[in-house]
Amino acid sequence: DSGVTQTPKHLITATGQRVTLRCSPRSGDLSVYWYQQSLDQGLQFLIQYYNGEERAKGNILERFSAQQFPDLHSELNLSSLELGDSALYFCASSPSRGGAGYTFGSGTRLTVV
Amino acid sequence: AQSVAQPEDQVNVAEGNPLTVKCTYSVSGNPYLFWYVQYPNRGLQFLLKYITGDNLVKGSYGFEAEFNKSQTSFHLKKPSALVSDSALYFCAVRDRDQAGTALIFGKGTTLSVSS
Repeated sequence: DSGVTQTPKHLITATGQRVTLRCSPRSGDLSVYWYQQSLDQGLQFLIQYYNGEERAKGNILERFSAQQFPDLHSELNLSSLELGDSALYFCASSPSRGGAGYTFGSGTRLTVV
Repeated sequence: AQSVAQPEDQVNVAEGNPLTVKCTYSVSGNPYLFWYVQYPNRGLQFLLKYITGDNLVKGSYGFEAEFNKSQTSFHLKKPSALVSDSALYFCAVRDRDQAGTALIFGKGTTLSVSS
């Protein structure tokens, strides 16, 4: 157990739907990062939050959004889902903004049918 | 912009032989460099990192990596491979001179160790 908790572990949903993925960072970590892993794109950085504020943005689609709450857990919202959104979504956390090293959760496998 | 290249999709090696997984990077400033390993249906696990100082970095499970600034490389090595080392390996970089950046990962290299 890495200390980073992601729920749910698996999610199957239909095209056009909206889902929310949840991440609880390791105790004491202030930064949360979201990554998408797919076979063709590899591991793509989506977005980072630090202590409730957006810190860095990567290849995140406009249909996707995220937030970090006062208790530091984070949610990634994916809407108007397409077949191509099927992927593993990882959350990672680190103690600081820069984050010399990240601790990863075990991921949420999203399947869009 | 920062980027990472792992030129080999797959590396095959026999158990007991040395292994090398290649990584080159591009950043405008000074790099933080990392190696992570992913086993099937698991998250990424930290192996080792280069922040500053000694160019040869030792990490978990007998792995090491050498930072080469002139070649912008950070190859992962192990003197004697084990079948249990078979997994997906990711190299990652972050520009430590730029605020507001996250770790950027390579596409990964599958290491297959045969008995």
